[in-house]
Amino acid sequence: DVKVTQSSRYLVKRTGEKVFLECVQDMDHENMFWYRQDPGLGLRLIYFSYDVKMKEKGDIPEGYSVSREKKERFSLILESASTNQTSMYLCASSTPAGSGTGELFFGEGSRLTVL
Amino acid sequence: GEDVEQSLFLSVREGDSSVINCTYTDSSSTYLYWYKQEPGAGLQLLTYIFSNMDMKQDQRLTVLLNKKDKHLSLRIADTQTGDSAIYFCAGRMNSGYSTLTFGKGTMLLVSP
Repeated sequence: DVKVTQSSRYLVKRTGEKVFLECVQDMDHENMFWYRQDPGLGLRLIYFSYDVKMKEKGDIPEGYSVSREKKERFSLILESASTNQTSMYLCASSTPAGSGTGELFFGEGSRLTVL
Repeated sequence: GEDVEQSLFLSVREGDSSVINCTYTDSSSTYLYWYKQEPGAGLQLLTYIFSNMDMKQDQRLTVLLNKKDKHLSLRIADTQTGDSAIYFCAGRMNSGYSTLTFGKGTMLLVSP
């Protein structure tokens, strides 16, 4: 069964802390994505990666960075967490454009609270 | 870029049909998707439709696509309490990357 695993389901951090959210997929997918989900705002794309060491900004990259050192792993980094980054973070992966149906496979989400 | 709009809330009684509507702006969208999110969980793909199709049926689910009006709908027949969830419409543009644009989600509440 295909699987996207996010390392932490729930995190509580303090303002100014550095936060790492890890995501691993076992489907050998080229594309990986980080979204954040907020009530009334739906899903907003933070960053995505279409290959190892490659990254592209999404719609709301400010305050975030990402790392893709291995194909199966995509990390989201909050260099200095702020309270407005309290949110649900969703990782997803997919095959490249032009292959298959392009559906995204999602992890279970990481709910981050910044105090 | 793509913009996807959907109503935020729908309430139905168990056994009724539910229809969730979505409109999109990018006529070059190649695939359109419906995802379901149960409380505290990630999104699961329910079904998708390719842009050259008008309708797709999968058990209790029927997807209708009106390309002229850029309107997509998801009909759930014989809605059950277990169908209570947030439903997201998403479109994939005909671009080099595989990014999807999601609507804000429709919360479906099914009462007994």
